[in-house]
This record gives sequence, structure tokens and C-alpha cells, in this order.
Amino acid sequence: DVKVTQSSRYLVKRTGEKVFLECVQDMDHENMFWYRQDPGLGLRLIYFSYDVKMKEKGDIPEGYSVSREKKERFSLILESASTNQTSMYLCANSGLASADTQYFGPGTRLTVL
Amino acid sequence: GQSLEQPSEVTAVEGAIVQINCTYQTSGFYGLSWYQQHDGGAPTFLSYNALDGLEETGRFSSFLSRSDSYGYLLLQELQMKDSASYFCAVRDGSSARQLTFGSGTQLTVLP
Repeated sequence: DVKVTQSSRYLVKRTGEKVFLECVQDMDHENMFWYRQDPGLGLRLIYFSYDVKMKEKGDIPEGYSVSREKKERFSLILESASTNQTSMYLCANSGLASADTQYFGPGTRLTVL
Repeated sequence: GQSLEQPSEVTAVEGAIVQINCTYQTSGFYGLSWYQQHDGGAPTFLSYNALDGLEETGRFSSFLSRSDSYGYLLLQELQMKDSASYFCAVRDGSSARQLTFGSGTQLTVLP
């Protein structure tokens, strides 16, 4: 059974705090993605990575950074959390030969107070 | 850039057939995918069309017309458990590895 795990299901942080969200996959997939999901806006891509130590900006990278030190692990970092970053964060991955099939983690509901 | 349009809400009764449409604008095009997401859950892959025509997977079918930049997801013999959000997504020429998602269609199945 394939597994994509995210470090927390729910997280509450204060404005200005540094926040780490971690995603781990056991599928040996090259591509990994971070999305945020807000009502009525669908899934918006923040960053993605297609290899270790590689990263590409998505549609809304401002206020975020990422790290991929190992193939199975992709971290999203909020350097200084703000209230407008309150959202559901979803991690996903896909293989090189099957880029249209993304496998999602359960999501982290982040609230910034 | 890319943009996708799909209805925000659809309602149908159990046992019925429902069609969720998706139109897209892209620069280059690889294919159209569909994902299902239940409340509180993660999106899961349903189907993919790279070529024109109909793909059938059980009660779900997906159709693509590349010339019309249009596709749809057809759900037959609706069940209460089909109540969920459905997203279309495209992979296009700007970045062959990533998907751009529509804003989703909330399907409500009534008894």
C-alpha cells in the first residue's frame, strides 16, 4: 500500500513563527509538490521538486521556501508565518513516467493566529 | 498561462447520471486528469485522457475533445458516497511535470 505522510494533521502557530511542514513518500517518486487549498480556489501550487536538492517555484511561492535533501522527503517552510497563510497544505508526488497521476498526503490544516 | 473552468456545484439524486464539464486554455497540452476529494480527505486520482474519446472505469467515464479544449467526467448510477469535490487538471507544455487544477465542482447526491 502506497504511503504519503505529512508531519501533522492540525497545526496552530502564531504570527511570525517559523513553521516546518514535512512530507515523506515511500513510492521512490522523483516529483514532489506542495499545494495549498482554500475554499473556492482549488489547489494552488506553491513549490515543486523533481530531484534531490532541486526546486522550482509554483504559482504562489511568496512567503514560502522548500527543502529536499533526500528523495523521499520534501519540506515546506514558512519563514515568518502570517494569518493569510492559514490554509490546508497538501503534499503530493508523481513518477517520471506517470506525471498525470499524483498521490496526495492527508494534508495539514494550519491555523496562524 | 493555463486556466480551467468547471461548475462550482452540481446536485443529483441517487441512481442518476451526472456530467461535470471542464474547459481549459493552455499553451501546449499533454492530457486532462480528474481527481476526487471527499470532505476532510486527500484528492485521489480518478482518470486521465491524453487522446480524444471516452475512457471508462466502472461507473466513471471521462471524455476529451482536444480540438474543443473540453472534457467531462461522467458518473453513472450515482451513490451517496459519490458526494465529493471533483477537480479537473491539465498537464501542459509550460512544465511537463506539474498539473494545474481547476477550482473544483462540489457534487451533492441526494437520496
